[in-house]
Amino acid sequence: DTGVSQNPRHKITKRGQNVTFRCDPISEHNRLYWYRQTLGQGPEFLTYFQNEAQLEKSRLLSDRFSAERPKGSFSTLEIQRTEQGDSAMYLCASSYRGGLTEAFFGQGTRLTVV
Amino acid sequence: AQTVTQSQPEMSVQEAETVTLSCTYDTSENNYYLFWYKQPPSRQMILVIRQEAYKQQNATENRFSVNFQKAAKSFSLKISDSQLGDTAMYFCAFMKLPGAGSYQLTFGKGTKLSVIP
Repeated sequence: DTGVSQNPRHKITKRGQNVTFRCDPISEHNRLYWYRQTLGQGPEFLTYFQNEAQLEKSRLLSDRFSAERPKGSFSTLEIQRTEQGDSAMYLCASSYRGGLTEAFFGQGTRLTVV
Repeated sequence: AQTVTQSQPEMSVQEAETVTLSCTYDTSENNYYLFWYKQPPSRQMILVIRQEAYKQQNATENRFSVNFQKAAKSFSLKISDSQLGDTAMYFCAFMKLPGAGSYQLTFGKGTKLSVIP
């Protein structure tokens, strides 16, 4: 087990293009979270999955953003019609159901919209 | 809504010395969890220490300890015998009690700690 894996690590895209990020959580973890971190800020919550069900979405998640976790394992985060304001680090975290357990974070995907 | 405030954007400490990072928060909840996370340069965030609000005893993890003042809504992190590997961004985070339907963490803006040889 190598922890939470995110791909790609870096993505540069032109404004208006669509991008998709992938997160592979720790294998036995059934909770998965997406956060966004902009420069000089702490991470901000975007969305949360328990197994394949998306149980919570932040108001930050505009209609250009969509996240899926089709089989309760890996997750994808897609941003359509990217804007310069979408430039940020996108962090994925996972944890194991069973009371309060530690959330393990991936190294993130750094998105730059030019 | 919960807010977390870290008033020290940057701090530095000499190796082997002790440093305290400050965190205050605002919530109307009575039961919750507080965390300190460490984010080294270009590496993933890792949990340093956590505190359950219903516990009066301050949490400790080796060289890391907290001073939890519930009434003052203060949650500071003390790092003793600072090491070069402690150089990182430190984030204070809040989570409502699980079962309230949310497992999201609310983070402060972070404190950049530099340990000087």
